[in-house]
Amino acid sequence: GENVEQHPSTLSVQEGDSAVIKCTYSDSASNYFPWYKQELGKRPQLIIDIRSNVGEKKDQRIAVTLNKTAKHFSLHITETQPEDSAVYFCARGEGSQGNLIFGKGTKLSVKP
Amino acid sequence: EAGVTQFPSHSVIEKGQTVTLRCDPISGHDNLYWYRRVMGKEIKFLLHFVKESKQDESGMPNNRFLAERTGGTYSTLKVQPAELEDSGVYFCASSQVAWSSYNSPLHFGNGTRLTVT
Repeated sequence: GENVEQHPSTLSVQEGDSAVIKCTYSDSASNYFPWYKQELGKRPQLIIDIRSNVGEKKDQRIAVTLNKTAKHFSLHITETQPEDSAVYFCARGEGSQGNLIFGKGTKLSVKP
Repeated sequence: EAGVTQFPSHSVIEKGQTVTLRCDPISGHDNLYWYRRVMGKEIKFLLHFVKESKQDESGMPNNRFLAERTGGTYSTLKVQPAELEDSGVYFCASSQVAWSSYNSPLHFGNGTRLTVT
């Protein structure tokens, strides 16, 4: 199917702990996988993305891993901080003209 | 640069009424997208413009929804007549070229929260 399954729907961690959000998909033609962060009342913003020709990408405390064989990709946040609290959406890119298919989102709460 | 702007930020209307949402993309962005998020669910694709042309409107739920982008600049999304299930947050996004270009991510607006009562 075309959906992206995202888990968990909610995640609560203590400040300083790591958080992992996982997404799975079924369309093997997908080759672009962005992650968006939406803080309360604000717009979704791209935080990291990965293309199918690499397996892992890291940007400071955030990393994304991609397993094309298993058709899943994950967001890893290390040393979480209260300002990491937000809803995170994964997505996959379909086709060449830009229709992104999103997951249902994960509400991350980082407790100080 | 100014970001994607959407108007209004909130709209509360009664079932059967008409509402028009507006999106101003980032200047120079040919690609404009409309998405909708119903509470607790995914951000769902509605349609995609390239300049003034509809590239993909496969996500439009039914003929009560009409999107336009006259002149290839701003876009409007009209819902007529509105139904209860149309409630949600409508996001607009734009990009300079299709996302497949590494340096052209989607930029989202703040969204319009539509409540149909």
